[in-house]
Amino acid sequence: GAVVSQHPSRVICKSGTSVKIECRSLDFQATTMFWYRQFPKQSLMLMATSNEGSKATYEQGVEKDKFLINHASLTLSTLTVTSAHPEDSSFYICSASKSADTQYFGPGTRLTVL
Amino acid sequence: ELKVEQNPLFLSMQEGKNYTIYCNYSTTSDRLYWYRQDPGKSLESLFVLLSNGAVKQEGRLMASLDTKARLSTLHITAAVHDLSATYFCAVPQGGSEKLVFGKGTKLTVNP
Repeated sequence: GAVVSQHPSRVICKSGTSVKIECRSLDFQATTMFWYRQFPKQSLMLMATSNEGSKATYEQGVEKDKFLINHASLTLSTLTVTSAHPEDSSFYICSASKSADTQYFGPGTRLTVL
Repeated sequence: ELKVEQNPLFLSMQEGKNYTIYCNYSTTSDRLYWYRQDPGKSLESLFVLLSNGAVKQEGRLMASLDTKARLSTLHITAAVHDLSATYFCAVPQGGSEKLVFGKGTKLTVNP
Protein backbone atom coordinates (compact mmCIF):
# COMPACT_ATOMS: atom_id res chain seq x y z
CA GLY A 1 0.00 0.00 0.00
CA ALA A 2 0.92 3.65 -0.28
CA VAL A 3 2.89 5.35 2.46
CA VAL A 4 2.16 8.67 4.11
CA SER A 5 4.54 10.11 6.66
CA GLN A 6 4.14 12.87 9.20
CA HIS A 7 6.78 14.87 10.98
CA PRO A 8 7.19 15.33 13.84
CA SER A 9 5.45 12.42 15.48
CA ARG A 10 5.32 14.22 18.79
CA VAL A 11 5.84 17.84 19.75
CA ILE A 12 5.62 19.78 22.97
CA CYS A 13 5.56 23.53 22.80
CA LYS A 14 4.90 26.54 24.97
CA SER A 15 1.68 28.46 24.76
CA GLY A 16 1.87 31.24 22.19
CA THR A 17 4.37 29.57 19.90
CA SER A 18 3.70 28.19 16.44
CA VAL A 19 4.16 24.60 15.38
CA LYS A 20 4.50 23.22 11.87
CA ILE A 21 3.48 19.67 11.01
CA GLU A 22 4.47 18.09 7.71
CA CYS A 23 2.54 15.45 5.80
CA ARG A 24 4.26 13.68 2.92
CA SER A 25 3.09 11.08 0.47
CA LEU A 26 6.22 9.03 -0.07
CA ASP A 27 5.44 6.90 -3.09
CA PHE A 28 2.61 8.62 -4.88
CA GLN A 29 1.46 12.08 -5.83
CA ALA A 30 -1.51 13.47 -3.99
CA THR A 31 -3.39 16.45 -5.35
CA THR A 32 -5.58 16.37 -2.28
CA MET A 33 -4.64 15.88 1.34
CA PHE A 34 -6.83 16.10 4.40
CA TRP A 35 -6.11 17.21 7.93
CA TYR A 36 -7.98 15.69 10.86
CA ARG A 37 -7.91 16.34 14.58
CA GLN A 38 -8.65 13.75 17.20
CA PHE A 39 -9.16 14.57 20.86
CA PRO A 40 -8.59 11.82 23.43
CA LYS A 41 -11.14 9.05 23.26
CA GLN A 42 -13.01 10.82 20.48
CA SER A 43 -13.43 10.34 16.78
CA LEU A 44 -11.62 12.07 13.96
CA MET A 45 -12.91 15.42 12.86
CA LEU A 46 -12.00 16.80 9.46
CA MET A 47 -10.37 20.21 9.78
CA ALA A 48 -9.57 21.08 6.21
CA THR A 49 -8.96 19.87 2.70
CA SER A 50 -5.60 20.77 1.24
CA ASN A 51 -5.35 21.10 -2.52
CA GLU A 52 -2.04 21.37 -4.31
CA GLY A 53 -1.55 24.80 -5.74
CA SER A 54 -4.66 26.36 -4.27
CA LYS A 55 -6.06 27.53 -0.99
CA ALA A 56 -7.21 25.02 1.56
CA THR A 57 -10.88 24.53 2.25
CA TYR A 58 -11.70 24.67 5.94
CA GLU A 59 -14.58 22.96 7.70
CA GLN A 60 -17.09 25.01 9.60
CA GLY A 61 -15.76 26.14 12.94
CA VAL A 62 -12.09 25.75 12.06
CA GLU A 63 -10.16 29.01 12.19
CA LYS A 64 -8.18 29.34 8.99
CA ASP A 65 -5.93 32.03 10.46
CA LYS A 66 -5.01 29.76 13.31
CA PHE A 67 -4.48 26.58 11.32
CA LEU A 68 -2.47 27.55 8.27
CA ILE A 69 -2.30 24.95 5.55
CA ASN A 70 0.10 24.98 2.64
CA HIS A 71 0.15 22.34 -0.09
CA ALA A 72 3.26 23.38 -1.93
CA SER A 73 3.82 20.24 -3.96
CA LEU A 74 2.09 17.03 -4.93
CA THR A 75 3.79 15.20 -2.09
CA LEU A 76 3.82 17.71 0.76
CA SER A 77 1.22 19.51 2.81
CA THR A 78 1.97 21.42 5.99
CA LEU A 79 -0.25 22.43 8.87
CA THR A 80 0.94 25.28 11.05
CA VAL A 81 -0.78 25.82 14.36
CA THR A 82 -0.20 29.48 15.09
CA SER A 83 -0.12 30.94 18.59
CA ALA A 84 -0.88 27.55 20.04
CA HIS A 85 -2.81 27.26 23.29
CA PRO A 86 -3.41 24.28 25.57
CA GLU A 87 -6.81 23.67 24.00
CA ASP A 88 -5.04 23.00 20.69
CA SER A 89 -3.38 19.96 22.23
CA SER A 90 -4.59 17.05 20.19
CA PHE A 91 -3.63 14.24 17.82
CA TYR A 92 -3.37 15.61 14.29
CA ILE A 93 -3.65 13.11 11.45
CA CYS A 94 -3.27 13.77 7.75
CA SER A 95 -4.40 11.64 4.87
CA ALA A 96 -3.48 11.72 1.21
CA SER A 97 -5.80 10.82 -1.59
CA LYS A 98 -4.35 8.45 -4.16
CA SER A 99 -7.63 8.00 -5.96
CA ALA A 100 -11.25 8.98 -5.50
CA ASP A 101 -11.87 5.87 -3.43
CA THR A 102 -8.73 5.62 -1.39
CA GLN A 103 -7.12 7.74 1.30
CA TYR A 104 -3.95 6.76 3.09
CA PHE A 105 -3.48 8.01 6.61
CA GLY A 106 -0.29 9.29 8.16
CA PRO A 107 0.91 8.04 11.54
CA GLY A 108 -0.27 11.17 13.31
CA THR A 109 1.36 13.98 15.29
CA ARG A 110 0.67 14.37 18.96
CA LEU A 111 0.77 18.04 19.92
CA THR A 112 0.99 19.08 23.55
CA VAL A 113 0.83 22.78 24.33
CA LEU A 114 1.96 23.72 27.81
CA GLU B 1 -25.80 17.01 7.04
CA LEU B 2 -24.34 13.53 7.02
CA LYS B 3 -24.40 11.74 10.34
CA VAL B 4 -22.65 8.45 10.97
CA GLU B 5 -23.61 6.41 14.00
CA GLN B 6 -21.90 3.36 15.32
CA ASN B 7 -23.08 0.95 17.93
CA PRO B 8 -22.12 -0.24 20.30
CA LEU B 9 -19.55 2.33 21.35
CA PHE B 10 -17.98 -0.08 23.79
CA LEU B 11 -17.81 -3.82 23.41
CA SER B 12 -16.24 -6.25 25.79
CA MET B 13 -16.24 -9.83 24.64
CA GLN B 14 -14.61 -13.13 25.41
CA GLU B 15 -12.20 -14.84 23.14
CA GLY B 16 -13.89 -17.25 20.81
CA LYS B 17 -17.18 -15.38 20.68
CA ASN B 18 -18.84 -13.71 17.72
CA TYR B 19 -20.23 -10.22 17.55
CA THR B 20 -21.33 -7.53 15.12
CA ILE B 21 -20.66 -3.80 15.08
CA TYR B 22 -23.18 -1.64 13.26
CA CYS B 23 -22.69 1.55 11.31
CA ASN B 24 -25.68 3.60 10.19
CA TYR B 25 -25.49 6.73 8.10
CA SER B 26 -28.07 9.35 7.31
CA THR B 27 -27.61 10.29 3.66
CA THR B 28 -27.12 8.32 0.48
CA SER B 29 -23.66 6.94 -0.15
CA ASP B 30 -22.39 4.03 -2.17
CA ARG B 31 -19.08 3.85 -0.34
CA LEU B 32 -18.09 3.10 3.21
CA TYR B 33 -14.78 2.51 4.93
CA TRP B 34 -13.75 0.61 8.04
CA TYR B 35 -10.60 1.45 9.98
CA ARG B 36 -8.84 0.10 13.01
CA GLN B 37 -7.01 2.28 15.50
CA ASP B 38 -4.71 1.00 18.23
CA PRO B 39 -4.02 3.22 21.25
CA GLY B 40 -1.71 6.09 20.38
CA LYS B 41 -1.61 5.10 16.73
CA SER B 42 -3.15 6.34 13.53
CA LEU B 43 -5.72 4.57 11.38
CA GLU B 44 -5.23 1.28 9.63
CA SER B 45 -7.48 0.65 6.66
CA LEU B 46 -9.49 -2.54 7.01
CA PHE B 47 -12.12 -2.52 4.31
CA VAL B 48 -13.28 -0.37 1.43
CA LEU B 49 -16.88 -1.14 0.47
CA LEU B 50 -17.77 0.37 -2.88
CA SER B 51 -21.21 -0.90 -3.80
CA ASN B 52 -24.49 -2.14 -2.47
CA GLY B 53 -24.20 -5.70 -1.30
CA ALA B 54 -20.41 -5.55 -1.06
CA VAL B 55 -18.98 -8.08 1.34
CA LYS B 56 -15.33 -8.34 2.22
CA GLN B 57 -13.52 -10.64 4.60
CA GLU B 58 -10.08 -10.58 6.11
CA GLY B 59 -9.26 -13.14 8.73
CA ARG B 60 -11.80 -13.01 11.53
CA LEU B 61 -13.41 -9.80 10.27
CA MET B 62 -16.11 -9.50 7.66
CA ALA B 63 -17.72 -6.27 6.51
CA SER B 64 -20.84 -5.74 4.47
CA LEU B 65 -22.69 -2.79 3.01
CA ASP B 66 -26.41 -2.27 2.39
CA THR B 67 -26.75 1.10 0.71
CA LYS B 68 -30.53 0.95 0.66
CA ALA B 69 -30.69 0.53 4.42
CA ARG B 70 -27.70 2.87 4.84
CA LEU B 71 -26.13 0.25 7.04
CA SER B 72 -22.80 -1.47 7.25
CA THR B 73 -21.83 -4.26 9.59
CA LEU B 74 -18.46 -5.44 10.81
CA HIS B 75 -18.74 -9.01 12.01
CA ILE B 76 -16.17 -10.54 14.28
CA THR B 77 -15.83 -14.30 14.28
CA ALA B 78 -14.17 -16.21 17.10
CA ALA B 79 -12.56 -13.14 18.58
CA VAL B 80 -8.97 -13.18 19.73
CA HIS B 81 -7.16 -10.73 22.02
CA ASP B 82 -5.24 -9.20 19.10
CA LEU B 83 -8.49 -7.77 17.77
CA SER B 84 -8.73 -5.43 20.75
CA ALA B 85 -8.75 -1.92 19.26
CA THR B 86 -11.11 0.90 18.32
CA TYR B 87 -12.96 0.42 15.06
CA PHE B 88 -14.27 3.33 13.02
CA CYS B 89 -16.55 3.44 10.05
CA ALA B 90 -16.44 6.44 7.72
CA VAL B 91 -18.67 7.64 4.92
CA PRO B 92 -17.81 10.16 2.18
CA GLN B 93 -19.76 13.38 2.41
CA GLY B 94 -21.92 14.38 -0.53
CA GLY B 95 -20.04 12.42 -3.16
CA SER B 96 -16.79 14.11 -2.19
CA GLU B 97 -13.66 12.59 -0.71
CA LYS B 98 -14.33 14.19 2.67
CA LEU B 99 -14.92 11.49 5.24
CA VAL B 100 -17.32 11.70 8.15
CA PHE B 101 -16.39 9.26 10.87
CA GLY B 102 -18.52 7.42 13.37
CA LYS B 103 -17.61 7.79 17.03
CA GLY B 104 -15.82 4.49 17.04
CA THR B 105 -16.37 1.19 18.79
CA LYS B 106 -13.83 0.29 21.42
CA LEU B 107 -13.49 -3.46 21.36
CA THR B 108 -11.88 -5.33 24.22
CA VAL B 109 -11.39 -9.06 23.84
CA ASN B 110 -10.81 -10.80 27.13
CA PRO B 111 -9.01 -14.14 27.50
